[in-house]
Amino acid sequence: GAGVSQSPRYKVAKRGQDVALRCDPISGHVSLFWYQQALGQGPEFLTYFQNEAQLDKSGLPSDRFFAERPEGSVSTLKIQRTQQEDSAVYLCASSLSVTDNEQFFGPGTRLTVL
Amino acid sequence: DAKTTQPTSMDCAEGRAANLPCNHSTISGNEYVYWYRQIHSQGPQYIIHGLKNNETNEMASLIITEDRKSSTLILPHATLRDTAVYYCIVRSRGTSGTYKYIFGTGTRLKVLA
Repeated sequence: GAGVSQSPRYKVAKRGQDVALRCDPISGHVSLFWYQQALGQGPEFLTYFQNEAQLDKSGLPSDRFFAERPEGSVSTLKIQRTQQEDSAVYLCASSLSVTDNEQFFGPGTRLTVL
Repeated sequence: DAKTTQPTSMDCAEGRAANLPCNHSTISGNEYVYWYRQIHSQGPQYIIHGLKNNETNEMASLIITEDRKSSTLILPHATLRDTAVYYCIVRSRGTSGTYKYIFGTGTRLKVLA
């Protein structure tokens, strides 16, 4: 069946540009997570949605990062005025319910800021 | 938040058992231990999880010490396709009720032919 998909898979941006990264979770999954993975590191939590409600954004590194999930399905992570330190793989994951044990991850979007 | 410590890398011969250790000495009583793996250029994939008791599924076994301060993931018969980075994770509940994964840097397992 269809898993979590993310687009684009690769994005190159010039410093100062805005970018938008899309996540299509598994249909019917209530919970959606965004993670940032720097080269050689494990993923780091950014933010969490339960349906359309953003319940936790404690991991967003600055106010240049913004995420939304307006209809409780597709989510977009937006980064304004990108900086070189934003270069990373951005992973999206979804799970069926709030307490569900397994998160299903997408393949990630590799963002390179020049 | 509890954190995990894992060896940076390990090698294992194909067909042998791979034993991947993890320390989580600051884990709280209601925090679960999860294991995921990440094959190059893919998202992490769930393997197994546990709270207190040892667990087994079709992929692996998870052995948790009685004091819960450490655990071991066992891949009983490693194959070349098991080459990946393995993450030991403590699932922590945040103030908003979110169940968050706190990843470490993982163990890079290389299965050798």
